[in-house]
Amino acid sequence: QSVLTQPPSASGTPGQRVTISCSGSSSNIGSNTVNWYQQLPGTAPKFLIYNNNQRPSGVPDRFSGSKSGTSASLAISGLQSEDEADYYCAAWDDSLNGFYVFGTGTKVTVL
Amino acid sequence: QVQLQQSGPGLVKPSQTLSLTCAISGDSVSSNSAAWNWIRQSPARGLEWLGRTYYRSKWYNDYAVSVKSRITINPDTSKNQFSLQLNSVTPEDTAVYYCAREGGTAGDAFDIWGQGTMVTVSS
Repeated sequence: QSVLTQPPSASGTPGQRVTISCSGSSSNIGSNTVNWYQQLPGTAPKFLIYNNNQRPSGVPDRFSGSKSGTSASLAISGLQSEDEADYYCAAWDDSLNGFYVFGTGTKVTVL
Repeated sequence: QVQLQQSGPGLVKPSQTLSLTCAISGDSVSSNSAAWNWIRQSPARGLEWLGRTYYRSKWYNDYAVSVKSRITINPDTSKNQFSLQLNSVTPEDTAVYYCAREGGTAGDAFDIWGQGTMVTVSS
């Protein structure tokens, strides 16, 4: 069960900036790095951001991540139609002998 | 490039064992910098990490508390693959199952994913 809380939905028009929040606790976001994944319909998740704010090769620079305390956020600037997808934050949690936890997910809709 | 190819049945009867395999190409299951994970996704439980196996001079396994009594993840160095076994399944174990690589150049992120296997638990 997810212990990282995200808003269920977010939306914007093409070109706008959308921000997704991810709220955790001291045992996960507060003490470990945050990763973000994008999941298009019917496909496996794809990693988007790692180590809080690093973009892997091939990910457009309109995607950016940040972390502060026990929360993190993903920003999509210059929203494009192909950004319509589900987005998940994730981090290791140091409780219960350690486990990897995903956020509840946010569906981004491009209006 | 690194690829993960999953195989295994899509239908399992209640109380039986779910078995899936993830074949690795372009990397080694014995890599000292990667870990090999199983994750599942269902509408009820979202994305749920199940466990991992990794090699750091010896083999290690970590499992989620929710399935710890029922799960085994094993590496197979001769075939460069790893497997998932989940015992005593119930309909609640119905989900899409993914294998994924952790590490490489992406910190502790899962940078490579398998294609996913929809597993239904039903008689």
